[in-house]
Amino acid sequence: QKEVEQNSGPLSVPEGAIASLNCTYSDRGSQSFFWYRQYSGKSPELIMFIYSNGDKEDGRFTAQLNKASQYVSLLIRDSQPSDSATYLCAVYNQGGKLIFGQGTELSVKP
Amino acid sequence: GAGVSQSPSNKVTEKGKDVELRCDPISGHTALYWYRQSLGQGLEFLIYFQGNSAPDKSGLPSDRFSAERTGGSVSTLTIQRTQQEDSAVYLCASSSAGTGMTEAFFGQGTRLTVV
Repeated sequence: QKEVEQNSGPLSVPEGAIASLNCTYSDRGSQSFFWYRQYSGKSPELIMFIYSNGDKEDGRFTAQLNKASQYVSLLIRDSQPSDSATYLCAVYNQGGKLIFGQGTELSVKP
Repeated sequence: GAGVSQSPSNKVTEKGKDVELRCDPISGHTALYWYRQSLGQGLEFLIYFQGNSAPDKSGLPSDRFSAERTGGSVSTLTIQRTQQEDSAVYLCASSSAGTGMTEAFFGQGTRLTVV
């Protein structure tokens, strides 16, 4: 079992729709969770982080965390073509190691 | 510097040669990570340095790979006797603490091509 798992996609949504990206992790002791966005040929950049169970909203982005289910998700409302990228879920395990999932490719169609 | 700096940006090497990749983290960042990203794939963890602690080398794929971090700052990833399957983008990231609660910032990566 991989430490951090994501559906690789591609996920295709129409412009203006909600995109839902999901991630599960194996280390039950993990405490901090991150979503990075990576455009083709570029390095990852942080878009959201979440530490506590529940929802965290930042503009069009909402991160959701459920530690009991070891599940974290990212919702993008009013998706725009500029949101088309690969979204990487990242989790710090108890040893402080930052582990990434394989990423979900999102395509937003005009 | 203002951000994480990696050099070279691109490296083409012949199979069997050794290569060194350099990472200069953000000043004051105690944690430093190396990842490998093959085309269309996610980030594969290679090694993690935190302060003066022994590095976590659990992701190094073979004994041809090694890394060091001098003076708690600059890090060098060395690949000996390169193979074609080593071709990938090598990304370095740093963060301000090893508690696992802070953002990791990435360099622009080194694209390694083994021919």
